[in-house]
Amino acid sequence: AQSVAQPEDQVNVAEGNPLTVKCTYSVSGNPYLFWYVQYPNRGLQFLLKYITGDNLVKGSYGFEAEFNKSQTSFHLKKPSALVSDSALYFCAVRDKTDSNYQLIWGAGTKLIIKP
Amino acid sequence: DSGVTQTPKHLITATGQRVTLRCSPRSGDLSVYWYQQSLDQGLQFLIQYYNGEERAKGNILERFSAQQFPDLHSELNLSSLELGDSALYFCASSALQGASGGDTQYFGPGTRLTVL
Repeated sequence: AQSVAQPEDQVNVAEGNPLTVKCTYSVSGNPYLFWYVQYPNRGLQFLLKYITGDNLVKGSYGFEAEFNKSQTSFHLKKPSALVSDSALYFCAVRDKTDSNYQLIWGAGTKLIIKP
Repeated sequence: DSGVTQTPKHLITATGQRVTLRCSPRSGDLSVYWYQQSLDQGLQFLIQYYNGEERAKGNILERFSAQQFPDLHSELNLSSLELGDSALYFCASSALQGASGGDTQYFGPGTRLTVL
């Protein structure tokens, strides 16, 4: 069965420090992987996705994510955190071979950036 | 702004009532997805429509139903409402039916439903 795990409910980072939000997945085939961000009282905003090719994917607001097939991970990173990055982050996966086409969502990680 | 619109933004109603939530997808998108987000359950996929036809069902209750109209807007109908139905309901749209895999879903701002 397909699944996504975001092992940390909350991540606390000081402003200016690098941040990492973790995501691991389990699919039977090869994955499409997505990151979304949700600010308070807002809808989810697409950040970036991995389809194929370069394992390092760059997205919006200076975020990037690295696809690691051997570790089945797709961690979200940013070199220098901003207070405005504080939000809820969701990882999602779709199995390329799954005819259902549905995204499987992680439970979300709350990112808190302290000044 | 994702280009996906949802109305109303807020809805307060009583138990046992019926409500309709509306979603207009991004221009050109054929797929519409409905999600429920509650504090204790995270993001739950409800149902997907593609070009007017139901494409996939998730954890949607029998009291809930949806449809997608010829102009591609979609409505989610919630009936016999219970306290536990209080949640944020999101609509998302994508260009295709998801078969391309890399098809990205774009979310609306959501409708906050409060059942008293």
